[in-house]
Amino acid sequence: GAGVSQSPSNKVTEKGKDVELRCDPISGHTALYWYRQRLGQGLEFLIYFQGNSAPDKSGLPSDRFSAERTGESVSTLTIQRTQQEDSAVYLCASSLGQEVNEKLFFGSGTQLSVL
Amino acid sequence: LAKTTQPISMDSYEGQEVNITCSHNNIATNDYITWYQQFPSQGPRFIIQGYKTKVTNEVASLFIPADRKSSTLSLPRVSLSDTAVYYCLVGGRDGYNKLIFGAGTRLAVHP
Repeated sequence: GAGVSQSPSNKVTEKGKDVELRCDPISGHTALYWYRQRLGQGLEFLIYFQGNSAPDKSGLPSDRFSAERTGESVSTLTIQRTQQEDSAVYLCASSLGQEVNEKLFFGSGTQLSVL
Repeated sequence: LAKTTQPISMDSYEGQEVNITCSHNNIATNDYITWYQQFPSQGPRFIIQGYKTKVTNEVASLFIPADRKSSTLSLPRVSLSDTAVYYCLVGGRDGYNKLIFGAGTRLAVHP
């Protein structure tokens, strides 16, 4: 596709359930980022993948959060035992991964609501 | 990572020029200054990036003084569709993979 694709666009779940969020980056982009955005706030860095290097997981808020990436393509963000505080928009971004300070291209996000 | 400070909100009217200033007193030598724009229900979108002096593209201009401790995003002749949140980011190779988005500046353009 032409841009970063995220699915689902909206997810409503019950407290304690696990959820999986998907991100399809732009083809050829080796760098992939996940961010979380709570209502009315800025973006909170979660995790960064670059090619085959070990991901930077330093932004994950707890061990309930994990993410995987298959090669240089799809990534999934998994939240186990969801809590109401996990309600937010989860944004994925990708970039070429070749230059310093290159542009990030964002998807439209997944709105997660935990009831 | 250099911290940035920018106004929480601004108001303007159609046709006016809008200048949003961002302070980044602790900017490092290899840091670039980047601005993103975010509309409701969308992810941020790259607007402009610069290192020093002035950069201009089809959307905006970015003014950076010699000491680089601040930068100003200039939007010429804004329209209602420029209503968005604008984020100022500072980072270089070391912080490249952890771009920090603050709360941004909420710009409201009125008729």
